[in-house]
Amino acid sequence: AQSVTQLDSQVPVFEEAPVELRCNYSSSVSVYLFWYVQYPNQGLQLLLKYLSGSTLVKGINGFEAEFNKSQTSFHLRKPSVHISDTAEYFCAVSDTFVGKLIFGQGTELSVKP
Amino acid sequence: DVKVTQSSRYLVKRTGEKVFLECVQDMDHENMFWYRQDPGLGLRLIYFSYDVKMKEKGDIPEGYSVSREKKERFSLILESASTNQTSMYLCASSPPGAGGNNEQFFGPGTRLTVL
Repeated sequence: AQSVTQLDSQVPVFEEAPVELRCNYSSSVSVYLFWYVQYPNQGLQLLLKYLSGSTLVKGINGFEAEFNKSQTSFHLRKPSVHISDTAEYFCAVSDTFVGKLIFGQGTELSVKP
Repeated sequence: DVKVTQSSRYLVKRTGEKVFLECVQDMDHENMFWYRQDPGLGLRLIYFSYDVKMKEKGDIPEGYSVSREKKERFSLILESASTNQTSMYLCASSPPGAGGNNEQFFGPGTRLTVL
């Protein structure tokens, strides 16, 4: 069975500092990987996704993630965060057959001035 | 832009009531999903549907049912609401396609409180 683990439930960081949100997955088959963001009182929106090809994936709002097959990780990074990046971030894996998403527990990113 | 709308942002019901949560999408997507979101647990799939009148159980279907009579509308039904169903409910849709590589588009969510 597939699963996703987000290693940090909360990440506080100061504005303009770099940030990394960690995600590990387990799967016995090929996967597609996603990062979603949820701003307060809103639904989820896609930040980026890895389907195949280059292991470094660039998304919206200056975020990027690196797929590492040997470490089964898909960590999300941003070199300089803004107050507006304060949100909850979800890592998800999709199986390659039916398209269901399995989500991690979420990481609350709190950016302080 | 894809738009997924949910009938209510906030809902308060009493134990034992029958509750309907409605979701409508405007992009002619075949696939629709219902999740519940709880702190520390992320999103968990309740039911999904790949076509009209078709439904599949997700990871936590107990206590829920669904209805998909029209392509654009996917309803989640709590036959007899209980306090442990107090949660945020999120609907999503995605276009068809093999391989699971399609983005899911989410509605704003319905925060349900069962008293």
